Amino acid sequence: GQQVMQIPQYQHVQEGEDFTTYCNSSTTLSNIQWYKQRPGGHPVFLIQLVKSGEVKKQKRLTFQFGEAKKNSSLHITATQTTDVGTYFCAGFNRGSRGSTLGRLYFGRGTQLTVWP
Amino acid sequence: DGGITQSPKYLFRKEGQNVTLSCEQNLNHDAMYWYRQDPGQGLRLIYYSQIVNDFQKGDIAEGYSVSREKKESFPLTVTSAQKNPTAFYLCASRPGQGSYEQYFGPGTRLTVT
Repeated sequence: GQQVMQIPQYQHVQEGEDFTTYCNSSTTLSNIQWYKQRPGGHPVFLIQLVKSGEVKKQKRLTFQFGEAKKNSSLHITATQTTDVGTYFCAGFNRGSRGSTLGRLYFGRGTQLTVWP
Repeated sequence: DGGITQSPKYLFRKEGQNVTLSCEQNLNHDAMYWYRQDPGQGLRLIYYSQIVNDFQKGDIAEGYSVSREKKESFPLTVTSAQKNPTAFYLCASRPGQGSYEQYFGPGTRLTVT
């Protein structure tokens, strides 16, 4: 079945350092989404990428969608303690009508720890 | 105040008992989802529903059941057949056609002993 792999599983950085998490899908995606889950909280939608090669920025966060629409990355510049949490990518595959319609395939997430 | 509510936040049950987790949304969203989260496992899809009176199995549906009798409600029953039910359960909803982002509830942490 479809899989979305995400690495690394854990990342520990000192405040001010950069951070990147990578996502790879076994199949071409219709779109990819990124979510953030703070410790003890629930996932919160950050952004959606749809077009091949798309790059979007949110302040210090840069999101990229690969040319083949099978991989994506999230890069945080100059991390802050408020960035702590687990970042998930999730791929949406419209596919043919059937069980894949309307669902996301989540990566396992990257847990980011930031030392002050 | 719009959103997704899950209750209770913490739930304790004895092994062998069925338990139903509540999920309600007043966002008028068409699709609803149930995920299970275990440490280091990410989010695994249990069941999802795209319209009232219809739902599909996700990747780990065994030992769970759902119903979707109303658009705003999507309760999940964890049955005694679920071998390892202790986990964090998250409910989510999605607006519908053309809109793919999901909005999550605060979750229910279920402990079965």
